[in-house]
Amino acid sequence: EAGVTQFPSHSVIEKGQTVTLRCDPISGHDNLYWYRRVMGKEIKFLLHFVKESKQDESGMPNNRFLAERTGGTYSTLKVQPAELEDSGVYFCASSQDHGTEAFFGQGTRLTVV
Amino acid sequence: GENVEQHPSTLSVQEGDSAVIKCTYSDSASNYFPWYKQELGKRPQLIIDIRSNVGEKKDQRIAVTLNKTAKHFSLHITETQPEDSAVYFCAASRAYKYIFGTGTRLKVLA
Repeated sequence: EAGVTQFPSHSVIEKGQTVTLRCDPISGHDNLYWYRRVMGKEIKFLLHFVKESKQDESGMPNNRFLAERTGGTYSTLKVQPAELEDSGVYFCASSQDHGTEAFFGQGTRLTVV
Repeated sequence: GENVEQHPSTLSVQEGDSAVIKCTYSDSASNYFPWYKQELGKRPQLIIDIRSNVGEKKDQRIAVTLNKTAKHFSLHITETQPEDSAVYFCAASRAYKYIFGTGTRLKVLA
């Protein structure tokens, strides 16, 4: 079974530019989550999709962040325009049901310079 | 708001000794508590989890205990080995959202 995959693994962009992160969840997993870890801090919840619908986006920092999951398969997280404080590792995870194991991707390390 | 406190932030133990990591959560409705291990450059992977209807769970050298009254849960690793060196994250969840702790960097010294 293929795991959760994320692209790219690393991204270095200048402040003000746009970056789009992609997540391919495990096939059949309706639940998809985005998390972010800023250096040395907790892995913080950003948002949750059930299929193509956003169930909870309370963790999104501001309106520079836009997540989509068209068709309920893969998801993208766009940051536009990027700021220095957006640097961190962005993790995607998926699960089959609520309250079951969430499988994580390897993360995308975003550096904004 | 919901939060999870995790201690210690770093932990060094001699190979063969035990390691204990402790977490405290704030949301009394949390009912699922997974522990993830993240090795350098790799993805976080679930190593053990516990639900709120049990107090303890073991899997070989790893055990987790849960005290719902105190809202504490702990990870215990016995007979530590160098390959146990990693960052460990606890989380508390109800429904779908995981609230993670800040992580514990465990170093097992050979």
